Amino acid sequence: DQQVKQNSPSLSVQEGRISILNCDYTNSMFDYFLWYKKYPAEGPTFLISISSIKDKNEDGRFTVFLNKSAKHLSLHIVPSQPGDSAVYFCAARMNSGGYQKVTFGTGTKLQVIP
Amino acid sequence: NAGVTQTPKFQVLKTGQSMTLQCAQDMNHEYMSWYRQDPGMGLRLIHYSVGAGITDQGEVPNGYNVSRSTTEDFPLRLLSAAPSQTSVYFCASPAVTLSNQPQHFGDGTRLSIL
Repeated sequence: DQQVKQNSPSLSVQEGRISILNCDYTNSMFDYFLWYKKYPAEGPTFLISISSIKDKNEDGRFTVFLNKSAKHLSLHIVPSQPGDSAVYFCAARMNSGGYQKVTFGTGTKLQVIP
Repeated sequence: NAGVTQTPKFQVLKTGQSMTLQCAQDMNHEYMSWYRQDPGMGLRLIHYSVGAGITDQGEVPNGYNVSRSTTEDFPLRLLSAAPSQTSVYFCASPAVTLSNQPQHFGDGTRLSIL
């Protein structure tokens, strides 16, 4: 039962263009969403997050949009740079049995072509 | 990734062997967790700890043991390795995102069970 889904395993974008990574979730109890970036042979690193009470959060070139009615969030990277090439994980948090549980998506591999 | 150190980085085991994956953090976080990453599965929580002496199971705990004798260390033990445990293992701290704190991940341990 995959509660957080990233349906695109990979994405290729030209340098300078916009990259849009999508994430869908099924559980309306999620109250906080995060994006992580992962390079090969490294652990995931936190990129940006958004609370369920907001619909947009921006940090430099990175913007996350949340559409609660559609249970959908997206990460926009503008402009895309070759250093952005990595695997991006969407994650969602909710309270579960007395602790806050984080559920990760399966990841989208982004390739930015110079 | 600053603050969370995992050892070893690589390990090959034979079925039935035992080993311990080490994780240490220097951020004085109470919370620590172990994830495994498998192709097409994202990151799945194995065990977590909310403080010294307190541990609990995550999504996929079978075949793994943990203990937390100090705040800094959270080792993961495989008592009798099985090929299904071939994976990349990540330690993270904190285990839960309290106050919207993101998790810091170690660089991972790539484990192969023959």
